[in-house]
Amino acid sequence: QKEVEQNSGPLSVPEGAIASLNCTYSDRGSQSFFWYRQYSGKSPELIMSIYSNGDKEDGRFTAQLNKASQYVSLLIRDSQPSDSATYLCAVNDSNYQLIWGAGTKLIIKP
Amino acid sequence: IAGITQAPTSQILAAGRRMTLRCTQDMRHNAMYWYRQDLGLGLRLIHYSNTAGTTGKGEVPDGYSVSRANTDDFPLTLASAVPSQTSVYFCASKAGLNTGELFFGEGSRLTVL
Repeated sequence: QKEVEQNSGPLSVPEGAIASLNCTYSDRGSQSFFWYRQYSGKSPELIMSIYSNGDKEDGRFTAQLNKASQYVSLLIRDSQPSDSATYLCAVNDSNYQLIWGAGTKLIIKP
Repeated sequence: IAGITQAPTSQILAAGRRMTLRCTQDMRHNAMYWYRQDLGLGLRLIHYSNTAGTTGKGEVPDGYSVSRANTDDFPLTLASAVPSQTSVYFCASKAGLNTGELFFGEGSRLTVL
């Protein structure tokens, strides 16, 4: 069974520090990887996508992908209280269906 | 504002009753999805539709049915609700199969007693 694993947290990070969120996946054929943010009581929203090995930066967010290790991460620099949310890792399978992790709850402490 | 509209936003339902959750999108997206989200389990795919006129089963399809008569609408029906179907239900869409971004509706919170 295809799986995406995330630490459920909560991960507590001081304001201004770097938050590091991690995700592993089981399907070696996966080619597309996504990070969604979900605020409490709201729907998920896409914040980062990554398709090739290495780093992809977008503002304070950096996604990192290592296909050999089947590992994808999200770094949030200069963490703000507004970054407090649950972060969902999602991976496309060979049928273009998204396989979802259960999410990591991030708490940014002022 | 373009997007996905779900209805109802919240519903309490007696076990055994039939319930249809409505989903409408105005983005002309081909692919549409129904997920349920339960604490600690993340998003689980119930049914999907890659294009109007076609549907497929996801990870947890039992007890649910869908139809896709046109591009915009993708209703989810619980034929005879059971308490284990208590959950938050999200409808989502994307423009094409190999595009990355899923757009979500605001969710429908369903409680089955």
